[in-house]
Amino acid sequence: DGGITQSPKYLFRKEGQNVTLSCEQNLNHDAMYWYRQDPGQGLRLIYYSQIVNDFQKGDIAEGYSVSREKKESFPLTVTSAQKNPTAFYLCASCPGPAGGLGNQPQHFGDGTRLSIL
Amino acid sequence: GESVGLHLPTLSVQEGDNSIINCAYSNSASDYFIWYKQESGKGPQFIIDIRSNMDKRQGQRVTVLLNKTVKHLSLQIAATQPGDSAVYFCAEGGGAQKLVFGQGTRLTINP
Repeated sequence: DGGITQSPKYLFRKEGQNVTLSCEQNLNHDAMYWYRQDPGQGLRLIYYSQIVNDFQKGDIAEGYSVSREKKESFPLTVTSAQKNPTAFYLCASCPGPAGGLGNQPQHFGDGTRLSIL
Repeated sequence: GESVGLHLPTLSVQEGDNSIINCAYSNSASDYFIWYKQESGKGPQFIIDIRSNMDKRQGQRVTVLLNKTVKHLSLQIAATQPGDSAVYFCAEGGGAQKLVFGQGTRLTINP
């Protein structure tokens, strides 16, 4: 089945530690996204990538970094500079920039829940 | 700034009744709207979308209505079932290269 796979499902971070969340898709989509979701709130955009080797900051990029070396992979690193990293992290993808990224549905993975030890 | 919001954070309905979930948007330039369903511990699932050249679109048991005059979007679910219990999000897009999500409404189905 085609889809988006996020791993791990649960992750714990120690103080001062960087952690990396994995996101892989086999939908052949060009665009990929990372969102953060806090309890009882909507999704806030961290970073997005329209094409391989290119990415843009979203609304809350501080304390996070990404890479897009392969079309199917868009890992997110939560750095020690992110002082409040506890949240549910969602990865999404959509076919591509044709027609505009804001004009097509995004497909989501099942998330990674990050907590602080 | 521009934002998408919801009129009600929670909604309880009887099983078998129809549900209506509302959403207000403030960016008059938005021309694409989408509804997602999110079950506990999972990622959002696409339900239905609508473009601004339409005011109504129907799917299986769901209807989305768009009122551009008052910048209002609604999701109607017919004959709600226990499996419809979830948080429902609206999102707007179009001109910008991203979707902007609302905060969500939790729908609870009473037996």
